[in-house]
Amino acid sequence: DQQVKQNSPSLSVQEGRISILNCDYTNSMFDYFLWYKKYPAEGPTFLISISSIKDKNEDGRFTVFLNKSAKHLSLHIVPSQPGDSAVYFCAASARNRGSTLGRLYFGRGTQLTVWP
Amino acid sequence: KAGVTQTPRYLIKTRGQQVTLSCSPISGHRSVSWYQQTPGQGLQFLFEYFSETQRNKGNFPGRFSGRQFSNSRSEMNVSTLELGDSALYLCASSLGTSGPPSYNEQFFGPGTRLTVL
Repeated sequence: DQQVKQNSPSLSVQEGRISILNCDYTNSMFDYFLWYKKYPAEGPTFLISISSIKDKNEDGRFTVFLNKSAKHLSLHIVPSQPGDSAVYFCAASARNRGSTLGRLYFGRGTQLTVWP
Repeated sequence: KAGVTQTPRYLIKTRGQQVTLSCSPISGHRSVSWYQQTPGQGLQFLFEYFSETQRNKGNFPGRFSGRQFSNSRSEMNVSTLELGDSALYLCASSLGTSGPPSYNEQFFGPGTRLTVL
């Protein structure tokens, strides 16, 4: 049962434009959301996160938006750069549920390609 | 602060063999999670250990097992290897306790690339 879904396996964007990566979740107990970036043959690296008490978090070129009513979050990258080309994973956790405290639920990822 | 380390980085085995992978978490982190990554399948959760106890488990067969030592280092074992076990195995560590949201942020190692022939 995929509780976190990234329905777009790939996204292609021109350099300088905005990249928008989307993520949907089904579990209303999720209260913390993270985005990871992964290059081939490397482990994922943490990018940005957002708590469910917020609807927006910004860090430089990266902004994450959370719509709790729609159970949807998105990652905006502005402006996009060729070095941003990677697989982006959305993840969620239910921190207040003791039985799943240490677990992150990941989507299948979106391959972002930024072309010059 | 040193990052998460995994050994070995590459491994080639044949069907039927067993394999043990090792993960050393970031100092102070007590939670270690293991994932399998195959093309098109994203990160498949194997299990999570916290303070030497398996706290969470994914939907993998019993051939996949793990353990955690008192220094938080963790090992993952796969017995009776199958061709389909060829994958990148990733380990991630976190504080893993209740508290600020950042306590659940996981930091990944570079992975072990396992090839089963």
